[in-house]
Amino acid sequence: GAVVSQHPSRVICKSGTSVKIECRSLDFQATTMFWYRQFPKKSLMLMATSNEGSKATYEQGVEKDKFLINHASLTLSTLTVTSAHPEDSSFYICSAQPDITSGRAAKQFFGPGTRLTVL
Amino acid sequence: QKEVEQNSGPLSVPEGAIASLNCTYSDRVSQSFFWYRQYSGKSPELIMSIYSNGDKEDGRFTAQLNKASQYVSLLIRDSQPSDSATYLCARFGNEKLTFGTGTRLTIIP
Repeated sequence: GAVVSQHPSRVICKSGTSVKIECRSLDFQATTMFWYRQFPKKSLMLMATSNEGSKATYEQGVEKDKFLINHASLTLSTLTVTSAHPEDSSFYICSAQPDITSGRAAKQFFGPGTRLTVL
Repeated sequence: QKEVEQNSGPLSVPEGAIASLNCTYSDRVSQSFFWYRQYSGKSPELIMSIYSNGDKEDGRFTAQLNKASQYVSLLIRDSQPSDSATYLCARFGNEKLTFGTGTRLTIIP
């Protein structure tokens, strides 16, 4: 159990375009999902916390107008990188935290990641 | 001081030996600690979670937590080449995970 999927796994786009990444929890409901970014040989950096039915909470230094997050249901969150530029090229990883009532509180299960390359 | 600190390595361990990975954290509020394994180009995979002082064993893995010393460790017994990866320590606090920079472990056949 506790499977999280991400789509697409890899995307290459031109500078100035927008890219949408989907994160789905396949076998559990996730009231909270998290979006991370990881640059080569660096650790995961939290970008934002996404709560179903409410606005995302962004970490300091992350532009909310550039990284749009929508958590429309208990199993789906999306991250849209708007007007992408080469410096946005990175490995984007989502995680999902099961509903606290499931008995697996605070554990996060990660999706396989999306590698974004902006030309 | 970083919230979660790890030695970046690389740490090289002969196959069959015990690999010891260490992590310290800066606050006394954190209640939950996790070890994740990350292979190159892949996302992190949860290996262990630990919430109470002492040891927690799961197969070849043992997590140790000492809240007084703000220290959490991971021992890998009978190390295998497939254990070669980066190991990330994380603590849960303020409703989010904070990761260390990871320790790169290489098991030498």
